[in-house]
Amino acid sequence: DAGVTQSPTHLIKTRGQHVTLRCSPISGHKSVSWYQQVLGQGPQFIFQYYEKEERGRGNFPDRFSARQFPNYSSELNVNALLLGDSALYLCASSLGGTGTYEQYFGPGTRLTVT
Amino acid sequence: AQKVTQAQTEISVVEKEDVTLDCVYETRDTTYYLFWYKQPPSGELVFLIRRNSFDEQNEISGRYSWNFQKSTSSFNFTITASQVVDSAVYFCALSEPPGAGSYQLTFGKGTKLSVIP
Repeated sequence: DAGVTQSPTHLIKTRGQHVTLRCSPISGHKSVSWYQQVLGQGPQFIFQYYEKEERGRGNFPDRFSARQFPNYSSELNVNALLLGDSALYLCASSLGGTGTYEQYFGPGTRLTVT
Repeated sequence: AQKVTQAQTEISVVEKEDVTLDCVYETRDTTYYLFWYKQPPSGELVFLIRRNSFDEQNEISGRYSWNFQKSTSSFNFTITASQVVDSAVYFCALSEPPGAGSYQLTFGKGTKLSVIP
């Protein structure tokens, strides 16, 4: 079975630009979460979606937004990019629902802002 | 607020040595889940174990074992007879209890393990 897939793998953007990152969850998983991992740190929670509804949001500015589609794939959008947005963006999928299920991570998108 | 502390930033061991990675957590919840993930140089986080707060039994999986002690808020991870392939960054994480909403994971800063041949 295919794992979590993310695209693109790498991305280089200029300050002030906009970026869209994409994630496809494991088949059968209905929940997608996004995390930002700055070099040398642990991942930080950005968003979680379940059944197309936002279920949680981390401490990130409104420049960050996300959505989940009917096929459970998800997009993370970041506007007005700053140098500090350079990081590995990880997507995780889980069964969702009312239980605390394991989150399985994709390979990430490495974003560099210059 | 939840917090996970991994005090060991980097550890180096010689192959076949045993190594323990420490994890201390803080939470006000009585029900919660603890996780360990491995991040090899490729960057993808690999799930290793999930433990709920009501289950304090230690767990062993091959060369891996986990020691959960609620009294000291610790969830330590031991690799027995380490191998070069164990070299990676290991993260301990804590999640909210069922029904809390997002089940977001709060990660520690990670421990970089280098196994020297």
